[in-house]
Amino acid sequence: AQTVTQSQPEMSVQEAETVTLSCTYDTSESNYYLFWYKQPPSRQMILVIRQEAYKQQNATENRFSVNFQKAAKSFSLKISDSQLGDTAMYFCAFMDQGAQKLVFGQGTRLTINP
Amino acid sequence: EAQVTQNPRYLITVTGKKLTVTCSQNMNHEYMSWYRQDPGLGLRQIYYSMNVEVTDKGDVPEGYKVSRKEKRNFPLILESPSPNQTSLYFCASSLGDLTPYEQYFGPGTRLTVT
Repeated sequence: AQTVTQSQPEMSVQEAETVTLSCTYDTSESNYYLFWYKQPPSRQMILVIRQEAYKQQNATENRFSVNFQKAAKSFSLKISDSQLGDTAMYFCAFMDQGAQKLVFGQGTRLTINP
Repeated sequence: EAQVTQNPRYLITVTGKKLTVTCSQNMNHEYMSWYRQDPGLGLRQIYYSMNVEVTDKGDVPEGYKVSRKEKRNFPLILESPSPNQTSLYFCASSLGDLTPYEQYFGPGTRLTVT
């Protein structure tokens, strides 16, 4: 069974700094998707960024980028120029290409301080 | 507006009193699923449905039932709730095999069982 591990339960940085959230996963599949979701205090699940495993190029979305290391099964999220609105719980998630189930990590609570 | 709705958003109940959490989507999505979120565990899939009258167990189905009589609705039923079902519940939907990674989440239902 696939597993996703986020080893940083909490992180805290100053506004405008860059922060990197770690995620590792375990799978025997070769085709899959990886995601980072943001959950602000409103509890809404918001997709931040998505990476297809077959793509070698790392995904980017404005201030958000990933470092996808397929051989190491690592998928970290970098937030540049962090903002107060980035304060949230962040979840790393995995989806097998042949399935519809998201497998989530434990989450990292990120606090951006003014 | 394309959305997934859940009701109620908050619910406090007592052990053994049957309850239903409704989920509805207006995007004609084939695939729907339920997740529960618990601290330190992330989100875990409870049940999913590939289409009308087609449902299957996820990772933590014990104590839950679902039905899919209409494409747009996917209610979660707790016939005899227990305190260990106190959790945050999310419904999600997606178009299906074409874009499995496009998961739309509902706003969440906070359930407390005393």
